[in-house]
Order: sequence, then C-alpha cells, then structure tokens
Amino acid sequence: NAGVTQTPKFRILKIGQSMTLQCAQDMNHNYMYWYRQDPGMGLKLIYYSVGAGITDKGEVPNGYNVSRSTTEDFPLRLELAAPSQTSVYFCASSFSHVGEQFFGPGTRLTVL
Amino acid sequence: GENVGLHLPTLSVQEGDNSIINCAYSNSASDYFIWYKQESGKGPQFIIDIRSNMDKRQGQRVTVLLNKTVKHLSLQIAATQPGDSAVYFCAELKATGGGNKLTFGTGTQLKVEL
Repeated sequence: NAGVTQTPKFRILKIGQSMTLQCAQDMNHNYMYWYRQDPGMGLKLIYYSVGAGITDKGEVPNGYNVSRSTTEDFPLRLELAAPSQTSVYFCASSFSHVGEQFFGPGTRLTVL
Repeated sequence: GENVGLHLPTLSVQEGDNSIINCAYSNSASDYFIWYKQESGKGPQFIIDIRSNMDKRQGQRVTVLLNKTVKHLSLQIAATQPGDSAVYFCAELKATGGGNKLTFGTGTQLKVEL
C-alpha cells in the first residue's frame, strides 16, 4: 500500500491564483482530513470528510473548498490564494472516527 | 475553549537517557489523546494513544501517562536514541457524531546529543 499520497510536494503561487492540492489514500478509509501547519506550530484542521459525498468544516476553513466524490480522493481547492495561506498542508485518513490518523508527506505552499 | 499546549519548546537529552515530554490540556471532555512524532520534512507519525479512562499505557520504549486531575499528559521515551530526534506533538481527540477532531499542541523539539 502507498498509504496517503499528496501532490504536488512544493508550489509557489501568486496572489489571486487558484490551485488544487491532491490527496489520495489506498487503505479504504472512510475518514479523510486536511490540515495546515504554519512554521513552529501544530496542525490546524481545515476540512474533513466522513465518507464519499460528505464534507464538513474544521477549525480554519475560510479560503478553502473540498470535495469527496470517491472514497480514495479528497482534493483541497484554493480559489484566490493569499499570503496568509503560505503553509505546509497535510492530508490524513483514518479507518474509524476514533483512531490513528495516517498522514501524507505534505505540500509546501508559498503565496507571493 | 479547547486548548492543548506544551510546557517546553525544546528538550535536549543525552543518548541513552530517558526523555520526558509534557503536555497540558484544558478540555476535560476529550475522549482520548495521541502523541505524534514529526521528523523534519515529513508528516506526523503516530506513536501512542491513551483513552481518557486510562492512566498509563506502554508501548515499545514509550510510555504515556495521563493525569486527569491536573489535566496533564506526558510521553516518556526510554533509552533515547538519535533517531528519536524530532518534534513531538500531543493531540487531543474529541469524537463527535460527524467525525473525530484532532487539536494539536505547538510541539516540543527533542534533540538527542551524542
């Protein structure tokens, strides 16, 4: 199993541009999550999903959108990139609502 | 509100010594707690978890202690090795009907000196 994969690994955006961060898992997990990690800080939950077709906001959802059309994929969309969105983004998945979350390697995003 | 924080931002230990990383939390309604290890440039990796109805749980070279009276969590690493150098996060997991939500502390940098 590849586990949780994320693409791209790095990206530089100009203010106002849009992009989609890809996340996929091959563990047949129902639960998937997007976090952002600012320098020297812990992770903050952006959005999560409990299954295909179901998504919900986390702690810091503003400026982001998600979709979950399949169990495997959970893309994160930035519509109008802002410098405040410069961060490292981690996707994670879990088998149940209580249990270990498996993290991807992260996407480092810089907005200039 | 929910708050998970760590006492020390950096901990330096000698190789072979035991390490103790501490964490304070304020939400007594949390279901359980997780410790994650994050190496530079990588995503967090699960180490060990403990449910709120437990006081202690042991894994391989690691022990987590939970003191609900003072809302304190600690991670003990026995015989610390260079490969243990990383940032350690405690996270508070609160299960809801819509899914679990993980609240992370700011992390402690563990440096193992040879």
